[in-house]
Amino acid sequence: SQQGEEDPQALSIQEGENATMNCSYKTSINNLQWYRQNSGRGLVHLILIRSNEREKHSGRLRVTLDTSKKSSSLLITASRAADTASYFCATDQPGGFKTIFGAGTRLFVKA
Amino acid sequence: ETGVTQSPTHLIKTRGQQVTLRCSSQSGHNTVSWYQQALGQGPQFIFQYYREEENGRGNFPPRFSGLQFPNYSSELNVNALELDDSALYLCASSKDRGAYEQYFGPGTRLTVT
Repeated sequence: SQQGEEDPQALSIQEGENATMNCSYKTSINNLQWYRQNSGRGLVHLILIRSNEREKHSGRLRVTLDTSKKSSSLLITASRAADTASYFCATDQPGGFKTIFGAGTRLFVKA
Repeated sequence: ETGVTQSPTHLIKTRGQQVTLRCSSQSGHNTVSWYQQALGQGPQFIFQYYREEENGRGNFPPRFSGLQFPNYSSELNVNALELDDSALYLCASSKDRGAYEQYFGPGTRLTVT
């Protein structure tokens, strides 16, 4: 079973617009990570946010974490056609060894 | 710095056969995790190897087994293949078992007919 659930499942926007993806999870976590996957190939690590952090930025990416609601969001600002990909949230549990991925949000950015 | 590589890229097998997938971890990384990703789904954790020992396992049957070698490369073996084993198999390496950031290979696409 998968820990994280992304919302929406699919998102289509125009180049230059912002894209927001949400992730909810079920159990306590150490960290939450976001990954990108292009065309069913390998995943690329985007950002990691620790359970004691509320917000983190990296370039055009902004991630928030609300542990009381067990949810996170990924905001991509000023999207580009090259941002077209699937985005996954992934959680790491305390004392755990495995990373649990959600089902992903498929983002399509139209040029 | 050499990235994570996987071989082969694609593979077609028949139900009941056995398959071995290979992964070379990024230089300096001693931990390898394997994932199965069905079409349209997120990766599912199979198991993790740390310094040649299995460090943890997901909800996969024993016919999924693995190895890690002294150079930290790894193999995933699947016996008695079933149609549902058709998926993208991803290998990811990390600096240590306590390091959460993982570096993924491009994957092996396995089709079982």
